[in-house]
Amino acid sequence: EDKVVQSPLSLVVHEGDTVTLNCSYEVTNFRSLLWYKQEKKAPTFLFMLTSSGIEKKSGRLSSILDKKELFSILNITATQTGDSAIYLCAVEETSGSRLTFGEGTQLTVNP
Amino acid sequence: DAGITQSPRHKVTETGTPVTLRCHQTENHRYMYWYRQDPGHGLRLIHYSYGVKDTDKGEVSDGYSVSRSKTEDFLLTLESATSSQTSVYFCAISAYTEAFFGQGTRLTVV
Repeated sequence: EDKVVQSPLSLVVHEGDTVTLNCSYEVTNFRSLLWYKQEKKAPTFLFMLTSSGIEKKSGRLSSILDKKELFSILNITATQTGDSAIYLCAVEETSGSRLTFGEGTQLTVNP
Repeated sequence: DAGITQSPRHKVTETGTPVTLRCHQTENHRYMYWYRQDPGHGLRLIHYSYGVKDTDKGEVSDGYSVSRSKTEDFLLTLESATSSQTSVYFCAISAYTEAFFGQGTRLTVV
């Protein structure tokens, strides 16, 4: 059975801190790994990673994939209160484009 | 926002009644999904579709059925709602890249 595990499940930091969120996976036919941010409503897309070792960056957020060790990290530098959200990791299979999600990491950034 | 609309956005229903949730897209994407989101479980796949009349089960499909008679519509039906189906339901669409999510339907079964 496909499995995606995120850690930590929750994290409380102060503004300005740097955080690292983890995602490990076991998927039979891996195609890509995706990160989403969920505030009060629908998850919104952050990154898609398909190749090992290539960092994707968007502002203060960055992510990298290790296909040998089967994990990815999401880094957020200089955190702001607006970064408070659930961060979801999902893995896409090659067949049928199914997405399997992890439980999510609840990040709270305090002023 | 991707052209994806869920209806209704909120619903309260009684145990044992049938309920249908609708997902409508204007993007002509091939793949459509129904997920439920519950505390402690993240997003769990109920059913998905890879084309008109082509559907398959996800990890939590018991008690749910789906239909896709047109590319743009994907219906999720609870034949006889139970309290364990109280949840937030998300529809998502995808065309070989990232998935885009609808705004969610909060369903309460009393």
